[in-house]
Amino acid sequence: DSGVTQTPKHLITATGQRVTLRCSPRSGDLSVYWYQQSLDQGLQFLIQYYNGEERAKGNILERFSAQQFPDLHSELNLSSLELGDSALYFCASSVSHTGELFFGEGSRLTVL
Amino acid sequence: GENVEQHPSTLSVQEGDSAVIKCTYSDSASNYFPWYKQELGKGPQLIIDIRSNVGEKKDQRIAVTLNKTAKHFSLHITETQPEDSAVYFCAAPSNFGNEKLTFGTGTRLTIIP
Repeated sequence: DSGVTQTPKHLITATGQRVTLRCSPRSGDLSVYWYQQSLDQGLQFLIQYYNGEERAKGNILERFSAQQFPDLHSELNLSSLELGDSALYFCASSVSHTGELFFGEGSRLTVL
Repeated sequence: GENVEQHPSTLSVQEGDSAVIKCTYSDSASNYFPWYKQELGKGPQLIIDIRSNVGEKKDQRIAVTLNKTAKHFSLHITETQPEDSAVYFCAAPSNFGNEKLTFGTGTRLTIIP
């Protein structure tokens, strides 16, 4: 158990809809990262937050947004969903500057 | 930004034999190279990492070697066991620092009993 909690584990929705994925980092970790893993693909970095502030942005679509709250949990919002958004979405957390990321078990999104 | 290439994409080895997975990176300023293991239905987990001030690091049956001149690093697993079957990812830091990693495309390792 990495200590990172993601909900929901599975989500099935229709094109055009909006969903919110939630992540609770390990106790004490200030950084939260979101990664997307599509079928047979590697891990694509989406966005990073550190102590409530956006710190780095990767290949995140404009239809996607995220935030980190004062209690350090984070939410990834995906809107106007398309079939191609079907993927595993991982949240990871870290203690700043150590390099090691601790991943949750992911949220599997299926868009029909 | 960093570009990480990983080979092979799939690898099958007989139980007890060794497995080697290789990665190359593009940013010569990168100085931290982790390897993550992802088991079925789980998130990736760090198994070993190396920093640029050393050329090799070992942890029991797992070792990582780094060649900074050639900009490549490799994962070596000796005496493979069925529980080594998983997808392995290499990674290298982006220009945002060690916290934001660029991952390779993964190697699916299958250990044949």
